[in-house]
Amino acid sequence: ILNVEQSPQSLHVQEGDSTNFTCSFPSSNFYALHWYRWETAKSPEALFVMTLNGDEKKKGRISATLNTKEGYSYLYIKGSQPEDSATYLCACGIYGGSQGNLIFGKGTKLSVKP
Amino acid sequence: EAGVAQSPRYKIIEKRQSVAFWCNPISGHATLYWYQQILGQGPKLLIQFQNNGVVDDSQLPKDRFSAERLKGVDSTLKIQPAKLEDSAVYLCASSSSGTDEQFFGPGTRLTVL
Repeated sequence: ILNVEQSPQSLHVQEGDSTNFTCSFPSSNFYALHWYRWETAKSPEALFVMTLNGDEKKKGRISATLNTKEGYSYLYIKGSQPEDSATYLCACGIYGGSQGNLIFGKGTKLSVKP
Repeated sequence: EAGVAQSPRYKIIEKRQSVAFWCNPISGHATLYWYQQILGQGPKLLIQFQNNGVVDDSQLPKDRFSAERLKGVDSTLKIQPAKLEDSAVYLCASSSSGTDEQFFGPGTRLTVL
């Protein structure tokens, strides 16, 4: 069974702090790495899709990097705000996987205190 | 464009009862997915449709779960009979093709008592 690991499981920060999360994934048969932001009672929202080793993407205060050779991705949030509070899921796209073509981690739950 | 629609948003049933969830994907999206997300776990794929055909149902507990997408548009996921361990959020997603970005609905939160 292929595993996608995310750390930490949860994170509590103060408004204005910068933070980062890690996603580790199997590098064989890899084709894409997705980051989603999931607020309670809402739909998971796609943040980034990355495919190439060394990819870096940015959206406002949030950015992500990808290392496909060693199988990890980092998500960074600069100057966290209370509205950033959510669960951040990463999902690895695998060709020919028996678990489906997107394998999700358990998520990192971020709480930002005002 | 309208997003992925799901109903109901919440459902509480007793064990051994039946339940059905509905999903309407983004217009034109050929691929539709049902995921189960148990508290503390990541979403797990239950079934993937390409138009009205099943691409992957290897993790669907077929003794109690069934799903259909008869006209290749909206889809229904059924559980009959439900067990306590089926308590979860059931997410529907759609994409243009099997490897494209997936767009998710808000999910149905099922509680089995």
